[in-house]
Amino acid sequence: AQRVTQPEKLLSVFKGAPVELKCNYSYSGSPELFWYVQYSRQRLQLLLRHISRESIKGFTADLNKGETSFHLKKPFAQEEDSAMYYCALKLGGGSNYKLTFGKGTLLTVNP
Amino acid sequence: GAVVSQHPSWVICKSGTSVKIECRSLDFQATTMFWYRQFPKQSLMLMATSNEGSKATYEQGVEKDKFLINHASLTLSTLTVTSAHPEDSSFYICSASGTLSQGYQPQHFGDGTRLSIL
Repeated sequence: AQRVTQPEKLLSVFKGAPVELKCNYSYSGSPELFWYVQYSRQRLQLLLRHISRESIKGFTADLNKGETSFHLKKPFAQEEDSAMYYCALKLGGGSNYKLTFGKGTLLTVNP
Repeated sequence: GAVVSQHPSWVICKSGTSVKIECRSLDFQATTMFWYRQFPKQSLMLMATSNEGSKATYEQGVEKDKFLINHASLTLSTLTVTSAHPEDSSFYICSASGTLSQGYQPQHFGDGTRLSIL
Protein backbone atom coordinates (compact mmCIF):
# COMPACT_ATOMS: atom_id res chain seq x y z
CA ALA A 1 0.00 0.00 0.00
CA GLN A 2 1.12 3.53 -0.62
CA ARG A 3 2.47 5.37 2.36
CA VAL A 4 4.41 8.52 3.15
CA THR A 5 6.55 8.65 6.24
CA GLN A 6 8.01 11.75 7.82
CA PRO A 7 9.99 10.43 10.76
CA GLU A 8 10.49 13.75 12.51
CA LYS A 9 7.52 15.49 14.06
CA LEU A 10 9.66 18.39 15.21
CA LEU A 11 12.88 19.84 13.86
CA SER A 12 14.66 22.80 15.33
CA VAL A 13 17.68 24.54 13.81
CA PHE A 14 19.42 27.86 14.14
CA LYS A 15 19.28 30.56 11.50
CA GLY A 16 21.92 30.00 8.86
CA ALA A 17 22.26 26.30 9.57
CA PRO A 18 21.46 23.67 6.96
CA VAL A 19 18.16 21.92 7.27
CA GLU A 20 16.91 18.61 5.97
CA LEU A 21 13.36 17.38 6.39
CA LYS A 22 13.08 13.69 5.76
CA CYS A 23 10.43 11.97 3.71
CA ASN A 24 10.25 8.32 2.72
CA TYR A 25 7.58 6.75 0.60
CA SER A 26 6.21 3.34 -0.21
CA TYR A 27 4.66 2.95 -3.63
CA SER A 28 4.76 0.22 -6.22
CA GLY A 29 4.31 2.51 -9.19
CA SER A 30 6.30 5.42 -10.52
CA PRO A 31 6.12 8.02 -7.75
CA GLU A 32 5.32 11.67 -8.09
CA LEU A 33 6.10 13.56 -4.91
CA PHE A 34 5.49 17.00 -3.53
CA TRP A 35 6.32 19.13 -0.57
CA TYR A 36 3.59 21.31 0.89
CA VAL A 37 4.13 24.01 3.49
CA GLN A 38 1.80 25.61 6.00
CA TYR A 39 2.98 28.81 7.64
CA SER A 40 1.43 29.92 10.90
CA ARG A 41 -2.21 30.90 10.45
CA GLN A 42 -2.07 30.29 6.72
CA ARG A 43 -3.42 27.64 4.44
CA LEU A 44 -1.54 24.70 3.06
CA GLN A 45 0.32 25.58 -0.12
CA LEU A 46 2.48 23.77 -2.61
CA LEU A 47 6.19 24.32 -2.11
CA LEU A 48 7.67 22.18 -4.81
CA ARG A 49 7.21 19.04 -6.86
CA HIS A 50 9.95 16.64 -7.83
CA ILE A 51 9.08 16.64 -11.50
CA SER A 52 9.82 20.34 -11.77
CA ARG A 53 13.29 19.90 -10.32
CA GLU A 54 13.10 23.47 -9.15
CA SER A 55 14.36 25.40 -6.16
CA ILE A 56 11.72 27.36 -4.29
CA LYS A 57 12.71 29.75 -1.50
CA GLY A 58 16.08 28.06 -1.48
CA PHE A 59 14.59 24.62 -0.89
CA THR A 60 15.36 21.64 -3.08
CA ALA A 61 14.27 18.04 -2.97
CA ASP A 62 15.64 15.13 -4.95
CA LEU A 63 13.77 11.94 -5.56
CA ASN A 64 15.93 8.95 -4.69
CA LYS A 65 14.17 5.86 -5.94
CA GLY A 66 16.79 3.53 -4.53
CA GLU A 67 16.22 4.82 -1.03
CA THR A 68 12.56 5.67 -1.70
CA SER A 69 13.17 9.10 -0.29
CA PHE A 70 12.34 12.69 -1.15
CA HIS A 71 14.09 14.73 1.48
CA LEU A 72 13.68 18.50 1.53
CA LYS A 73 16.87 20.50 1.96
CA LYS A 74 17.98 24.05 2.38
CA PRO A 75 21.61 25.03 2.92
CA PHE A 76 20.94 28.09 5.07
CA ALA A 77 17.71 28.18 7.04
CA GLN A 78 15.91 31.45 7.66
CA GLU A 79 13.52 32.35 10.46
CA GLU A 80 10.71 32.77 7.96
CA ASP A 81 11.11 29.12 7.02
CA SER A 82 9.51 28.15 10.31
CA ALA A 83 6.38 26.25 9.34
CA MET A 84 4.75 22.87 9.08
CA TYR A 85 6.00 20.84 6.14
CA TYR A 86 4.13 17.95 4.58
CA CYS A 87 5.46 15.48 2.08
CA ALA A 88 2.83 14.12 -0.30
CA LEU A 89 2.60 11.32 -2.84
CA LYS A 90 0.40 11.73 -5.90
CA LEU A 91 -1.70 8.78 -6.94
CA GLY A 92 -3.48 8.65 -10.24
CA GLY A 93 -3.56 11.13 -13.06
CA GLY A 94 -5.71 13.77 -14.67
CA SER A 95 -7.71 16.00 -12.39
CA ASN A 96 -8.89 13.16 -10.16
CA TYR A 97 -5.54 12.36 -8.67
CA LYS A 98 -5.22 11.79 -4.93
CA LEU A 99 -2.60 13.02 -2.52
CA THR A 100 -1.37 10.88 0.32
CA PHE A 101 0.23 13.07 2.97
CA GLY A 102 2.81 12.33 5.58
CA LYS A 103 2.16 13.41 9.15
CA GLY A 104 4.20 16.53 8.75
CA THR A 105 7.30 18.02 10.33
CA LEU A 106 7.18 21.24 12.29
CA LEU A 107 10.31 23.20 11.50
CA THR A 108 11.42 25.91 13.88
CA VAL A 109 14.28 28.16 12.87
CA ASN A 110 15.69 29.94 15.87
CA PRO A 111 17.42 33.33 15.66
CA GLY B 1 -4.89 33.78 -8.25
CA ALA B 2 -6.09 30.31 -7.23
CA VAL B 3 -7.90 31.25 -4.05
CA VAL B 4 -10.10 28.74 -2.29
CA SER B 5 -12.46 30.05 0.35
CA GLN B 6 -13.85 27.79 3.02
CA HIS B 7 -16.71 28.75 5.30
CA PRO B 8 -17.27 28.69 8.20
CA SER B 9 -13.82 28.64 9.72
CA TRP B 10 -15.10 27.40 13.05
CA VAL B 11 -18.39 25.92 14.13
CA ILE B 12 -19.64 24.59 17.42
CA CYS B 13 -22.94 22.78 17.59
CA LYS B 14 -24.92 20.30 19.58
CA SER B 15 -24.83 16.60 19.01
CA GLY B 16 -27.44 15.46 16.52
CA THR B 17 -27.45 18.55 14.36
CA SER B 18 -26.27 18.72 10.76
CA VAL B 19 -23.50 21.05 9.73
CA LYS B 20 -22.76 22.32 6.24
CA ILE B 21 -19.30 23.47 5.18
CA GLU B 22 -18.81 25.39 1.96
CA CYS B 23 -15.78 25.40 -0.28
CA ARG B 24 -15.55 27.95 -3.06
CA SER B 25 -12.98 28.59 -5.74
CA LEU B 26 -12.95 32.36 -6.09
CA ASP B 27 -10.98 32.97 -9.25
CA PHE B 28 -10.91 29.72 -11.17
CA GLN B 29 -13.18 26.90 -12.17
CA ALA B 30 -12.72 23.91 -9.91
CA THR B 31 -13.41 20.82 -11.95
CA THR B 32 -12.41 18.66 -9.01
CA MET B 33 -12.71 19.29 -5.30
CA PHE B 34 -11.30 17.26 -2.47
CA TRP B 35 -12.33 16.99 1.14
CA TYR B 36 -9.85 16.09 3.83
CA ARG B 37 -10.09 15.46 7.53
CA GLN B 38 -7.29 16.15 9.95
CA PHE B 39 -7.13 14.94 13.52
CA PRO B 40 -4.85 16.69 16.03
CA LYS B 41 -1.20 16.05 15.29
CA GLN B 42 -2.16 13.76 12.43
CA SER B 43 -1.91 14.05 8.70
CA LEU B 44 -4.59 15.10 6.26
CA MET B 45 -6.73 12.14 5.34
CA LEU B 46 -8.63 12.27 2.07
CA MET B 47 -12.33 11.69 2.62
CA ALA B 48 -13.73 12.09 -0.87
CA THR B 49 -13.18 13.50 -4.33
CA SER B 50 -15.92 15.25 -6.23
CA ASN B 51 -16.26 16.35 -9.81
CA GLU B 52 -18.69 19.03 -10.82
CA GLY B 53 -22.06 17.55 -11.60
CA SER B 54 -21.12 14.03 -10.53
CA LYS B 55 -21.45 11.98 -7.39
CA ALA B 56 -18.53 12.12 -5.05
CA THR B 57 -16.09 9.25 -4.79
CA TYR B 58 -15.54 8.34 -1.16
CA GLU B 59 -12.45 6.78 0.32
CA GLN B 60 -12.70 3.45 2.04
CA GLY B 61 -14.11 3.74 5.51
CA VAL B 62 -15.83 7.10 4.96
CA GLU B 63 -19.58 6.93 5.47
CA LYS B 64 -21.39 8.37 2.48
CA ASP B 65 -24.57 8.95 4.42
CA LYS B 66 -22.75 10.70 7.21
CA PHE B 67 -20.69 13.00 5.03
CA LEU B 68 -22.80 14.31 2.17
CA ILE B 69 -20.86 16.02 -0.57
CA ASN B 70 -22.38 18.16 -3.27
CA HIS B 71 -20.46 19.74 -6.14
CA ALA B 72 -23.22 21.44 -8.05
CA SER B 73 -21.16 24.11 -9.77
CA LEU B 74 -17.61 24.73 -10.91
CA THR B 75 -17.01 27.06 -8.01
CA LEU B 76 -18.80 25.46 -5.08
CA SER B 77 -18.71 22.21 -3.20
CA THR B 78 -20.37 21.54 0.13
CA LEU B 79 -19.76 18.97 2.82
CA THR B 80 -22.66 18.27 5.15
CA VAL B 81 -21.97 16.34 8.32
CA THR B 82 -25.32 14.81 9.11
CA SER B 83 -26.47 14.10 12.65
CA ALA B 84 -23.07 15.08 13.95
CA HIS B 85 -21.69 13.48 17.08
CA PRO B 86 -18.65 14.31 19.21
CA GLU B 87 -16.51 11.80 17.33
CA ASP B 88 -17.07 13.87 14.17
CA SER B 89 -15.24 16.77 15.76
CA SER B 90 -12.23 17.45 13.62
CA PHE B 91 -10.57 19.86 11.23
CA TYR B 92 -12.01 19.62 7.74
CA ILE B 93 -10.08 21.00 4.79
CA CYS B 94 -11.12 21.32 1.18
CA SER B 95 -8.98 21.74 -1.87
CA ALA B 96 -9.74 22.40 -5.50
CA SER B 97 -8.02 21.81 -8.77
CA GLY B 98 -9.14 23.28 -12.02
CA THR B 99 -8.25 24.81 -15.29
CA LEU B 100 -5.70 27.41 -14.34
CA SER B 101 -2.95 25.97 -16.45
CA GLN B 102 -2.22 23.25 -18.90
CA GLY B 103 -0.82 19.97 -17.73
CA TYR B 104 -0.57 19.34 -14.03
CA GLN B 105 -3.36 20.89 -11.99
CA PRO B 106 -2.22 21.52 -8.42
CA GLN B 107 -4.62 21.38 -5.55
CA HIS B 108 -5.32 24.72 -3.91
CA PHE B 109 -6.35 24.49 -0.29
CA GLY B 110 -8.88 26.32 1.80
CA ASP B 111 -8.17 27.50 5.33
CA GLY B 112 -10.09 24.65 6.87
CA THR B 113 -13.08 24.40 9.19
CA ARG B 114 -12.78 23.40 12.80
CA LEU B 115 -15.87 21.48 13.80
CA SER B 116 -16.64 20.93 17.46
CA ILE B 117 -19.63 18.84 18.43
CA LEU B 118 -20.78 19.14 22.01
